[in-house]
Amino acid sequence: AQKVTQAQTEISVVEKEDVTLDCVYETRDTTYYLFWYKQPPSGELVFLIRRNSFDEQNEISGRYSWNFQKSTSSFNFTITASQVVDSAVYFCALRLSGAGSYQLTFGKGTKLSVIP
Amino acid sequence: EPEVTQTPSHQVTQMGQEVILRCVPISNHLYFYWYRQILGQKVEFLVSFYNNEISEKSEIFDDQFSVERPDGSNFTLKIRSTKLEDSAMYFCASSEKLSYEQYFGPGTRLTVT
Repeated sequence: AQKVTQAQTEISVVEKEDVTLDCVYETRDTTYYLFWYKQPPSGELVFLIRRNSFDEQNEISGRYSWNFQKSTSSFNFTITASQVVDSAVYFCALRLSGAGSYQLTFGKGTKLSVIP
Repeated sequence: EPEVTQTPSHQVTQMGQEVILRCVPISNHLYFYWYRQILGQKVEFLVSFYNNEISEKSEIFDDQFSVERPDGSNFTLKIRSTKLEDSAMYFCASSEKLSYEQYFGPGTRLTVT
């Protein structure tokens, strides 16, 4: 069965610092999708990014960047120049791409607090 | 921008009562899902629904749970006889294609007393 581990339970940074959230996944499948979601204090889950297992290109979107390394089964998320609005719980998730695989398997989340 | 909506935002019910949680997925999406999140814990998959039938369900989704798409827009989760441990935030999600990202609604907080 697949598994997603987010070893960092809570992280606190001072505004404008860079921060990296770690995600390690386990699966025997060779094709899968990886995701990051943000859950702000208001509680909704906001989609941030989707990555296919066959595409190891890193991605940058504004202050956000993602580093996917298949060799270490990691999909880390970096926020550059953090802001107070980045304070949230961030979830990494995995979905297998095989037939019959619909569910997202989430990690336990990392709570990020950005201190002004 | 299209979004998933859920009603009610908060539901309080007594143990043993039936509850129905409602969701309106994004209109052109074909895949629908329910997840739950017990307070402070990770998000857990309950069930997925495609082409008017359940496509995958987890161990949590036992006989007390059922889903339905009663019309072209709504997607519901029914819990027949609620237990204290059913207290959680329930999220509905939808995706346009199976390989695409799932978009989540704002959630329904269910409190069973």
